[in-house]
Amino acid sequence: DTAVSQTPKYLVTQMGNDKSIKCEQNLGHDTMYWYKQDSKKFLKIMFSYNNKELIINETVPNRFSPKSPDKAHLNLHINSLELGDSAVYFCASHLRGSEKLFFGSGTQLSVL
Amino acid sequence: RKEVEQDPGPFNVPEGATVAFNCTYSNSASQSFFWYRQDCRKEPKLLMSVYSSGNEDGRFTAQLNRASQYISLLIRDSKLSDSATYLCVVNTGFQKLVFGTGTRLLVSP
Repeated sequence: DTAVSQTPKYLVTQMGNDKSIKCEQNLGHDTMYWYKQDSKKFLKIMFSYNNKELIINETVPNRFSPKSPDKAHLNLHINSLELGDSAVYFCASHLRGSEKLFFGSGTQLSVL
Repeated sequence: RKEVEQDPGPFNVPEGATVAFNCTYSNSASQSFFWYRQDCRKEPKLLMSVYSSGNEDGRFTAQLNRASQYISLLIRDSKLSDSATYLCVVNTGFQKLVFGTGTRLLVSP
């Protein structure tokens, strides 16, 4: 199936741990994003990559490190997890010039 | 001031009603505008783009007012399946797509 897929769907972990979320799209898009949706349902942009190059970094703590090995993948690594990191993280992509975002189904991160 | 603001609702309407949502944006240089729909525990999906001249897609009409920096979404003849959160999205430049907090719509029988 053509889609934006992210794994895992659920992630439960302890404070202080390090975890990664993976995202892959096979839509041929060249721009990918990470968004965070908190408990108040506010969807906030974190990072944007275009052709593996970082173009937006919205003052996210440096515990969050995105990595784009190629334009079809954008992974998110989080060090030293904190309670406030609990949220749903969405990966999204679009073709530059199109602006129609395609989202993954989200990763619900719970930090205990 | 937030970049994109919406009334969070919820808007409770009966089936068949007409309902309208507004959204304001702060950056006058914003280039393009969209409405997305998000169902509970699901990812957002594009509902429609918003064009300067206004545009319609079935029961949905979107309008843009650049002078007052707001966009609107009108839903006619509401269906139960329209119950969702409607997200206003603004491209503020350099491919930065900013989401509003969303307006929750509940359509009841």
